[in-house]
Amino acid sequence: EDQVTQSPEALRLQEGESSSLNCSYTVSGLRGLFWYRQDPGKGPEFLFTLYSAGEEKEKERLKATLTKKESFLHITAPKPEDSATYLCAVINAGGTSYGKLTFGQGTILTVHP
Amino acid sequence: DGGITQSPKYLFRKEGQNVTLSCEQNLNHDAMYWYRQDPGQGLRLIYYSQIVNDFQKGDIAEGYSVSREKKESFPLTVTSAQKNPTAFYLCASSIDRGFPYEQYFGPGTRLTVT
Repeated sequence: EDQVTQSPEALRLQEGESSSLNCSYTVSGLRGLFWYRQDPGKGPEFLFTLYSAGEEKEKERLKATLTKKESFLHITAPKPEDSATYLCAVINAGGTSYGKLTFGQGTILTVHP
Repeated sequence: DGGITQSPKYLFRKEGQNVTLSCEQNLNHDAMYWYRQDPGQGLRLIYYSQIVNDFQKGDIAEGYSVSREKKESFPLTVTSAQKNPTAFYLCASSIDRGFPYEQYFGPGTRLTVT
């Protein structure tokens, strides 16, 4: 059974204080790892897809990296508007359900001005 | 603008009543999905459909039903058999060409059953 564990559960930062969120996964052959941002009461917003170890993607203050066991979402000089829940999800290589995402519980990020 | 719409945003029902949640997409995506989100838990897959007139159960399909009569639409019915129906329901869609493309989500429907 695929498993995704995100840490920490919650992270409080001061504006400008860089940090990283972790997503550890156990899957029977990783086909893709996805990062989403979710604001309260809204649907998740797609951020990045990573397909293979060593891959990196960047968008504004966010940078996602992938190893064979985990992914990191690095946030550089965060601003209060970066406050949200960040979700990680994986797709495994098995069977016909290649569209089936397994999600972690998310990390709640709060950035104080 | 292309996107996914879900209606209504908030829904209130009495216990024992069936309720249908709407999901429409104009992204021309092949696959559509329904997830349930509860506080402190990750999103859990209820049903998904890769093609019109075909759908598969996800991890928590009991007490739910779906239909896929049109490519653009994937309504979810929460039946009275669902023991804990109060939750935030999210619909998503993606390209489906044998490759793990990202899923795009709608704004969600918050269902409260009392």
